Amino acid sequence: QLQLQESGPGLVKPSETLSLTCTVSGGSISTSTHYWGFIRQPPGKGLEWIGSIHNSGSTYFNPSLQSRIAIFVDTSKNHYSLKLTSVTAADTAVYYCATHDRRQGLFDQWGQGTLATVSS
Amino acid sequence: QSALTQPPSASGSPGQSLTISCTGTSRDVGIYNYVSWYQHHPGRAPKLIIYEVSKRPSGVPDRFSGSKTGNTASLTVSGLQAEDEADYYCSLYAGSNNLVFGGGTKVTVL
Repeated sequence: QLQLQESGPGLVKPSETLSLTCTVSGGSISTSTHYWGFIRQPPGKGLEWIGSIHNSGSTYFNPSLQSRIAIFVDTSKNHYSLKLTSVTAADTAVYYCATHDRRQGLFDQWGQGTLATVSS
Repeated sequence: QSALTQPPSASGSPGQSLTISCTGTSRDVGIYNYVSWYQHHPGRAPKLIIYEVSKRPSGVPDRFSGSKTGNTASLTVSGLQAEDEADYYCSLYAGSNNLVFGGGTKVTVL
């Protein structure tokens, strides 16, 4: 059973960079045909897709966030990471990682999520 | 890309049927069939319950069904159970990097 687990700093200061990692167990990022995605949910609001990466390094991002996003994959550690730059309070959210079937546009395995708060 | 429109809340009694709408436009929901639905119990991982408008992943009860008419997709929960109380989100993939979610619907089982 594939499992995904998010990890991150919890608290980030405004204007700094938010870094999150998603560690995959029960399967290998390097042999999967899936993309690997990040989704977030600000407090009291709905879900927002952030971006996704394939083990080949191919990425695609939400147009509204793409100027501030980088996503990396480390197949040797079986994890992938998100960096979101120049954060503001609006970036406070629970961040989820999930497997992403790009052809069908669906997320079929999700992590539990990790809260990232932007505050000084 | 604009978010899809869902009612903020819906409710029903155990055993009843409940339908949640997800409204887009003729440029997105109206022409693309990659509509998915997710069930989210707060504090837990969201769960895919419908994909490609009406298909159910393995293990999802057939009480959950999806459909689409025009610019509106719908999720119907038949035989409502207490465990169905959760937030439900629709999403649409319209190709390339066009992937949006609805605002979510909080379902209450009375």
